[in-house]
Amino acid sequence: QKEVEQNSGPLSVPEGAIASLNCTYSDRGSQSFFWYRQYSGKSPELIMSIYSNGDKEDGRFTAQLNKASQYVSLLIRDSQPSDSATYLCAVNRPQGAQKLVFGQGTRLTINP
Amino acid sequence: GAGVSQSPRYKVAKRGQDVALRCDPISGHVSLFWYQQALGQGPEFLTYFQNEAQLDKSGLPSDRFFAERPEGSVSTLKIQRTQQEDSAVYLCASSLVTAEQYFGPGTRLTVT
Repeated sequence: QKEVEQNSGPLSVPEGAIASLNCTYSDRGSQSFFWYRQYSGKSPELIMSIYSNGDKEDGRFTAQLNKASQYVSLLIRDSQPSDSATYLCAVNRPQGAQKLVFGQGTRLTINP
Repeated sequence: GAGVSQSPRYKVAKRGQDVALRCDPISGHVSLFWYQQALGQGPEFLTYFQNEAQLDKSGLPSDRFFAERPEGSVSTLKIQRTQQEDSAVYLCASSLVTAEQYFGPGTRLTVT
C-alpha cells in the first residue's frame, strides 16, 4: 500500500462545475496536509494547507480533512480551463522532520 | 520577494559524468529540501537541511548522490558517475518553521 494514494485520472469536469479531488494516506500519525497544483512542465505550486479536521476555504478552493478516515479532499468551485493541471496531495510524516510524502497526482481537465 | 531559484534549468550529461545542481532558497528560509520527480509521478524526498545541518538524507538513492549547504543558504546536489536511471527533474524546496514548502522551477537532468 502506498503511503499517499490518489486516483491518477484523468478527471474531466465541465467548465463552471465543481471538481472533486481525493486523497487517502496510511500513516495515522500524519499531521499536516497539502495540495499542490502542477502545470505540465512546471514545478509544484502550493495552493492549500490544512492541519485540523474539517473544511478550509480559500477563494474557489476548499480543502477537507477527516483524520479518522485518513482522507483529504480538494474541491474546486466554478472550475475554469486554467484549473487544468495535475493536483498533488502531500502529507507531512510525523517522524521524518518536515519531509513531504506525495501521491502520484490526479490529472484534471476542465472542458470549456 | 524572489522565490526559490535553481540552476541549471536543463542539464544533459553523458553516462558516467558528474553533475552539480544548485538551489538558492527563499531568503530567510532555514529549511531546504531536495526531491526527485520522475515523469508521471509525485516528487520523492531525497534530503533535508536545517540551516547548514543535513538532518535527513534517507531518500538519497545511492552513495553517488551527495548534497551540501555549507553556509546555510545555497545548496548543491551532486551526482557522481551519472546513470540513465538518474534522469528526472530535481526539485528544491524551502520553508520557514512551518511545513509549507515552496518549490523552485526544478532542474531537468537527462543522462544519455
